[in-house]
Amino acid sequence: DQQVKQNSPSLSVQEGRISILNCDYTNSMFDYFLWYKKYPAEGPTFLISISSIKDKNEDGRFTVFLNKSAKHLSLHIVPSQPGDSAVYFCAAKAAGNKLTFGGGTRVLVKP
Amino acid sequence: DTGVSQDPRHKITKRGQNVTFRCDPISEHNRLYWYRQTLGQGPEFLTYFQNEAQLEKSRLLSDRFSAERPKGSFSTLEIQRTEQGDSAMYLCASSLRQGQDTQYFGPGTRLTVL
Repeated sequence: DQQVKQNSPSLSVQEGRISILNCDYTNSMFDYFLWYKKYPAEGPTFLISISSIKDKNEDGRFTVFLNKSAKHLSLHIVPSQPGDSAVYFCAAKAAGNKLTFGGGTRVLVKP
Repeated sequence: DTGVSQDPRHKITKRGQNVTFRCDPISEHNRLYWYRQTLGQGPEFLTYFQNEAQLEKSRLLSDRFSAERPKGSFSTLEIQRTEQGDSAMYLCASSLRQGQDTQYFGPGTRLTVL
């Protein structure tokens, strides 16, 4: 039972353009959502998060949007840079402490 | 702040051998987590400590797996009688019990069971 899904396994975008990554979830008890970036042979690096009481959170080039009614969140990266090329994971937390991760989206930013 | 560290970074072992991994969390963090990641998948939760107490264990953590955090600082994850299906990246994360409790990950230990 995959409670967090990232339906796009990969995304290719031109440098300077917007990258939009999507994530869907099924568990209505999730109340905190996070995005992590992962380079090969490294652990996930925290990027940005959002609480379920908000619908938007922005940090520099990264913005996360949450649509609770649709159980959907997205990460926007503007402008995309070659260094953003990595695998991005969406994660969600309910009342406990464990994170439930999606399967990841590989982003390639072309110069 | 030196971040979460894990040792070793890579481990190759033969089936049936025991292996032990170590995780050192960010110094002021009192919560510590272990996750496992296989190729093409997101990390999956294994277990969680608050200080030295192991508060939650996943069904993924079979009897061959044991984790400890004896003094509430570093943690060890031991796998006994390794199987080829244990081959994965083992990730450790830590957090400070404050606010939304964001988890910060270490670089992981890549285990290959031959």
